[in-house]
This record gives sequence, structure tokens and C-alpha cells, in this order.
Amino acid sequence: DTAVSQTPKYLVTQMGNDKSIKCEQNLGHDTMYWYKQDSKKFLKIMFSYNNKELIINETVPNRFSPKSPDKAHLNLHINSLELGDSAVYFCASSLQGNNQPQHFGDGTRLSIL
Amino acid sequence: AQSVAQPEDQVNVAEGNPLTVKCTYSVSGNPYLFWYVQYPNRGLQFLLKYITGDNLVKGSYGFEAEFNKSQTSFHLKKPSALVSDSALYFCAVRVLGNTPLVFGKGTRLSVIA
Repeated sequence: DTAVSQTPKYLVTQMGNDKSIKCEQNLGHDTMYWYKQDSKKFLKIMFSYNNKELIINETVPNRFSPKSPDKAHLNLHINSLELGDSAVYFCASSLQGNNQPQHFGDGTRLSIL
Repeated sequence: AQSVAQPEDQVNVAEGNPLTVKCTYSVSGNPYLFWYVQYPNRGLQFLLKYITGDNLVKGSYGFEAEFNKSQTSFHLKKPSALVSDSALYFCAVRVLGNTPLVFGKGTRLSVIA
């Protein structure tokens, strides 16, 4: 009955590698998001998709590429991983509308060695 | 650009006492205001929101918040704190248009038995 699920939960990899994080929601929402939470717990939006269309891209390096194959999925691919990419990445979803609350997954903890 | 300030990094309160977690915001236009809670190793959970109407908003787990337009504040309150309320609390704001949800830096609440 998980609402927003992310895989994997933990990801440990070497600098320079390419990795993907998957996100799926079963809430019937049409808007999905990726957030980055740093070691100080500061949370910042990376991308937002509505009905598979990119609507927010917040000055994220182009090494990060989101892909939304359908409304229920928003995956994040990261090329050439750097030490500074170490963080917890959260996927979220909501109904369309800026007054709608967002539902978050439990995060993917990415550690770059 | 919109911003949120949570002036306290940490709030300590005795179990059974009332609690307040402070939040002020800065936006152009009318704000949509939200409170979220994050438990260790979990995603954010929505507590309550202010969109329009009554300035006192009631939410999950006995929490409420008061919107004060003149002071641009949206403080989170609970009449009687529980040890299980100990967590990281985030205030967030959004406005109309293709704008992101902007979070404060978070306030860690510790409720002591």
C-alpha cells in the first residue's frame, strides 16, 4: 500500500559512475518532483513534472536527467557522479495545483566514494 | 523570490506543555503555506496547510497553525506535546504559477518526558 516508493533506498558508488534512481506513485497524482536534501537537512527542489512534461528545472547541472515514462513514474539518472552529489534524494507527488500538499517517498541515500 | 525563515534550529519542550515552532515568510502575492514533519530516515509528511479563509488551520496529530498576514508568520502549535512529536519540522511556501515549493531550513523539536 506504499504511496510513493523509491528504489534503491541506499546507493554507494564511485566518483565518475552513472546511476539511476526510480520513483513510482500509486496515488493517481499527475505531478511529480525530485528534491535534494543535503547533510544539513536543507531541502531544495530539483525538478517538477506535470503529466510527463517538465515544468520546473531549478538550475540543476545537466548531469542530472529526469525521465517520466508515464504519470506514475519519474526516474532520475545521474551521469559522472561527483563527491558533492552525496545527499538524500526524495521523490514526491501531488495533484495538480500549487495549493496541493505533496506526498514524499522515504528517500534514496546516495554516497559517493 | 519567495523565502521562508525558521529562526530556531532547535526547540525543547517538556511533555504535556504547549509547543510553538516559528515560521515567517516573504512572497510577492498571496502565499500557500504548509507544514511538514520528518522522522529519522523517512520522507516528509504533510501536517497542514493555509490557502485562504480562516486564519487558524487545524491539521494532523493535534497540530494547528495560525496565519498572520501583518506579521507574515505561520507558527505551528500544539496544546500538549508528546514525546512522539520529537522530529524535524519544515515550513514551506508557494505562490501561483510555475513556482517551486520553498522550504525553511527546518526546526528540530525535542519533547522531553
